[in-house]
Amino acid sequence: AIQMTQSPSSLSASVGDRVTITCRASQAIRVDVGWYQQKPGKAPKLLIYAASSLHSGVPSRFSGSGSGTDFTLTISSLQPEDFATYYCLQDYNYPRTFGQGTKLEIK
Amino acid sequence: QVQLVESGGGVVQPGRSLRLSCAASGFTFRNYAIHWVRQAPGKGLEWLAVISFDGRNKYYADSVKGRFTISRDNSNSTLYLQMNSLRTEDTAVYYCARFLQDTAMIGPLEYWGQGTLVTVSS
Repeated sequence: AIQMTQSPSSLSASVGDRVTITCRASQAIRVDVGWYQQKPGKAPKLLIYAASSLHSGVPSRFSGSGSGTDFTLTISSLQPEDFATYYCLQDYNYPRTFGQGTKLEIK
Repeated sequence: QVQLVESGGGVVQPGRSLRLSCAASGFTFRNYAIHWVRQAPGKGLEWLAVISFDGRNKYYADSVKGRFTISRDNSNSTLYLQMNSLRTEDTAVYYCARFLQDTAMIGPLEYWGQGTLVTVSS
């Protein structure tokens, strides 16, 4: 199975900061990665798919990039509602695998 | 609007079985492949299984292969997860999730249910 190594596992930042979260795949997976946001007690929400495509309704401060093995999720200017846990998910093949998650906390 | 509603969770003893359901509405269920994903308390997301729109193709995570079975009833717009030989480490919230694109077995998971909690404990 493809391993998705996500970093950092946690991150403290302030409103207005620019933050970047990284996922590294154990093998090349083209651009077959999505990014998800999860708030406590809620189901995950799709933010980015195909590495860089913004899902409908997602604010433009979210962006994704990368291909092959290295992928990033960037939030250009943190808003209070962005403090949550973020996961990458490879959809290159089965079994699908998630990154370990990045918990974004308020500094 | 698209809705996925999981049910069937509860407390079960190790070694026993449980069947989860995911009732779908607001879209043409028979056109979409559907996944199961779980999350242990305080832990990350774990992908479990997927079934194609017509039920012919199924894939599983190694952690549940041979113990869990995914199935669907397109006439009733319902997805199932039959869980046998349950272990304490299967304790988690179980989510069903739908692909972004119809008929596809690739791509992101667009819609998620609210989850159902399974607790495996003696």
